[in-house]
Amino acid sequence: GENVEQHPSTLSVQEGDSAVIKCTYSDSASNYFPWYKQELGKRPQLIIDIRSNVGEKKDQRIAVTLNKTAKHFSLHITETQPEDSAVYFCAASTGTASKLTFGTGTRLQVTL
Amino acid sequence: DAGVIQSPRHEVTEMGQEVTLRCKPISGHDYLFWYRQTMMRGLELLIYFNNNVPIDDSGMPEDRFSAKMPNASFSTLKIQPSEPRDSAVYFCASSFRRINEKLFFGSGTQLSVL
Repeated sequence: GENVEQHPSTLSVQEGDSAVIKCTYSDSASNYFPWYKQELGKRPQLIIDIRSNVGEKKDQRIAVTLNKTAKHFSLHITETQPEDSAVYFCAASTGTASKLTFGTGTRLQVTL
Repeated sequence: DAGVIQSPRHEVTEMGQEVTLRCKPISGHDYLFWYRQTMMRGLELLIYFNNNVPIDDSGMPEDRFSAKMPNASFSTLKIQPSEPRDSAVYFCASSFRRINEKLFFGSGTQLSVL
């Protein structure tokens, strides 16, 4: 089955700096890669996703890049703010009938 | 729509007791998922349903866990008997038409087994 590894497990940045979280996947047939954000004590929520026919996708301060050859994808957050502090999960799936496999999460702390 | 609704929000029980977690998915969603979240293992998929039919229960830890979806608006996850290692946050989630479409999570049930 699919295996998704996520790094780092914790990340601390100063407000205004950029943050990058990386994930690798094992199944070359994977074609859908969402990112979920979970604030402390809250439910995970989808923040951005990318499909394998696209190399990069942006939404305001967040972007996701995909390298199919290397089988890795990354979340980029620019101009970080305290409200970006949360746990971020990457995930991958291999098709419309395939369940998501989640990474183990990255705890991002944005300090003032 | 009120989103995915889970109950209870918190459950504290003693080892050996039966625990039942409840979930109401978003109306019209075809898929329902049960996840378990722990610090060590992150988000683990336990089981999912498509149109009320269980499709994949390979994530269910052992026979002590069971899940049902008697209709499109209700699902239960039961643990009998419960053990301390079952302590975790259990999330229910639903999605509209495809299994890997945007997941809408419920607020979760924080389960503590003493």
